[in-house]
Amino acid sequence: DTAVSQTPKYLVTQMGNDKSIKCEQNLGHDTMYWYKQDSKKFLKIMFSYNNKELIINETVPNRFSPKSPDKAHLNLHINSLELGDSAVYFCASSQVLRRPQEAFFGQGTRLTVV
Amino acid sequence: DQQVKQNSPSLSVQEGRISILNCDYTNSMFDYFLWYKKYPAEGPTFLISISSIKDKNEDGRFTVFLNKSAKHLSLHIVPSQPGDSAVYFCAARSPGNQFYFGTGTSLTVIP
Repeated sequence: DTAVSQTPKYLVTQMGNDKSIKCEQNLGHDTMYWYKQDSKKFLKIMFSYNNKELIINETVPNRFSPKSPDKAHLNLHINSLELGDSAVYFCASSQVLRRPQEAFFGQGTRLTVV
Repeated sequence: DQQVKQNSPSLSVQEGRISILNCDYTNSMFDYFLWYKKYPAEGPTFLISISSIKDKNEDGRFTVFLNKSAKHLSLHIVPSQPGDSAVYFCAARSPGNQFYFGTGTSLTVIP
């Protein structure tokens, strides 16, 4: 029973394409996140979302958009992919105001744009 | 504008000795601090945390120390074991429930 699962695990695509990465959590958490780990291994937050509020890191291009069909899912859509988008993307979830307060992470999606 | 920093990209320690991983932060509004462990091709997994109102939290071989005045925290692993070899990320949570990560420290425990 994977708590936070992402699909696909690997994604290779050409520049200019539009792609999506799916994320599902079965922990009953109310907040989900997307992180990008770049070539320097820095885990940078892109979005956090609960059923009330979407917080967007101001450095994230608007080609990236999160879509949440329900509380257990937060999918990441990327339009017009660029070479610099190549990275590992991690989904995570947490529960506000309840212990444990840590975020749980998925296994990551390695995106390669060629 | 990296708010959480780990200045040591790597650390090597002999098995049985103490490993000390350090982390600095800039935002005094962070209310919770965490350490994550990451193996290659896997997502980070939670290791230990500490609330900003405490200065120490211990869980088995792992102890996290928080020095709020210095905006510094550290993770002590004693005794270190070869299975502890991984990348360790320091993270801090903002009141808005966003988690900010450092760049990680790669720990190698030498048998």
